[in-house]
Amino acid sequence: GQQVMQIPQYQHVQEGEDFTTYCNSSTTLSNIQWYKQRPGGHPVFLIQLVKSGEVKKQKRLTFQFGEAKKNSSLHITATQTTDVGTYFCAGGSGAGNNRKLIWGLGTSLAVNP
Amino acid sequence: NAGVTQTPKFQVLKTGQSMTLQCAQDMNHNSMYWYRQDPGMGLRLIYYSASEGTTDKGEVPNGYNVSRLNKREFSLRLESAAPSQTSVYFCASRMGLGAFEQYFGPGTRLTVT
Repeated sequence: GQQVMQIPQYQHVQEGEDFTTYCNSSTTLSNIQWYKQRPGGHPVFLIQLVKSGEVKKQKRLTFQFGEAKKNSSLHITATQTTDVGTYFCAGGSGAGNNRKLIWGLGTSLAVNP
Repeated sequence: NAGVTQTPKFQVLKTGQSMTLQCAQDMNHNSMYWYRQDPGMGLRLIYYSASEGTTDKGEVPNGYNVSRLNKREFSLRLESAAPSQTSVYFCASRMGLGAFEQYFGPGTRLTVT
């Protein structure tokens, strides 16, 4: 079946260092989404990428969607303690109302102040 | 708007007991989802409802039943709880049609002893 692999599983950085998490899909995706889950919280939607090669930025966060629409990355520049949490990618599949997300297992980010 | 609400927030059950987890959304979304989250396993889809009146199995449906009571409400029932069902349960909703992003409730932390 369809799978989305996400690496690394954990990342521990010093505040101010950069951080990147990668997602790779076994199949071509219609889009990819990124979510953040703070410790003890629930996943919160960050962004959606739809076009091949698309790059989007949100302040210190840069999201990329690969040319083949099978991989994606999230890069955080100069991490802050507020970036702590687990980052999930989720690939979109299906059509119409049956659209579902194929979730990666997440990358847990810890930031040392 | 409250978004997606879930009750209860916490629950402890004994093996064999039954219970229903409630979920409601006030965003007029068409699709609703039930996930479970276990350490190291990411988010796994239990059941989903693409639209009012329809429900479908996800990747881990065994031991669960769902009811899409109306457009707002989607409940998850455990008929005979087992320790393997100890988990955090998240309900999510999606507008439907062209929108992929999902909005999550705060979760129910369930322990089965």
